[in-house]
Amino acid sequence: DAKTTQPPSMDCAEGRAANLPCNHSTISGNEYVYWYRQIHSQGPQYIIHGLKNNETNEMASLIITEDRKSSTLILPHATLRDTAVYYCIVRDNQAGTALIFGKGTTLSVSS
Amino acid sequence: KAGVTQTPRYLIKTRGQQVTLSCSPISGHRSVSWYQQTPGQGLQFLFEYFSETQRNKGNFPGRFSGRQFSNSRSEMNVSTLELGDSALYLCASSLFQAGVGNIQYFGAGTRLSVL
Repeated sequence: DAKTTQPPSMDCAEGRAANLPCNHSTISGNEYVYWYRQIHSQGPQYIIHGLKNNETNEMASLIITEDRKSSTLILPHATLRDTAVYYCIVRDNQAGTALIFGKGTTLSVSS
Repeated sequence: KAGVTQTPRYLIKTRGQQVTLSCSPISGHRSVSWYQQTPGQGLQFLFEYFSETQRNKGNFPGRFSGRQFSNSRSEMNVSTLELGDSALYLCASSLFQAGVGNIQYFGAGTRLSVL
């Protein structure tokens, strides 16, 4: 079973920041938080991951709370192309560890 | 750099047949994982191969099998197809590096329809 809880859906206006929350209250010390997204009928796309520090890349920012029990993915300026299902996954980085996907959050960006 | 390539993209089979799907990982990646996606069950892990050895396996019946070749390309096989095997089959490759991370990069998938 997935170890994360995400809202089923969110809306965002184009050009605004999209903040997608994720709860992972049972996360263990060696587990990372990964975010992927899946645009309709395509393969999931890696976005970002982190252990305990906040992370930023060209796609998004990841904010992890100090107790690591929750995190927020931030898309700073959402576009229509960001409409997708976003998955938050906790996983350790040991060899052979599978990604366990939950139901994710469907983000709808509108103009 | 080429991404993960899956062939074929679409496939139609009938019940009882078998099918083989192919996956070519990103150059240099030695780990290949397979996932099944259906509307009812979502994305589920099938198995992972590394250096031609199955390293991890999900909760699927023995009709689902796979293998990996010395060039890291992988195939998965489903025998005695059932209607419920209709799904999007996804392959992901990764360059596992201890301490750096284990990011999996996905292909576009093979859409299998069983009639």
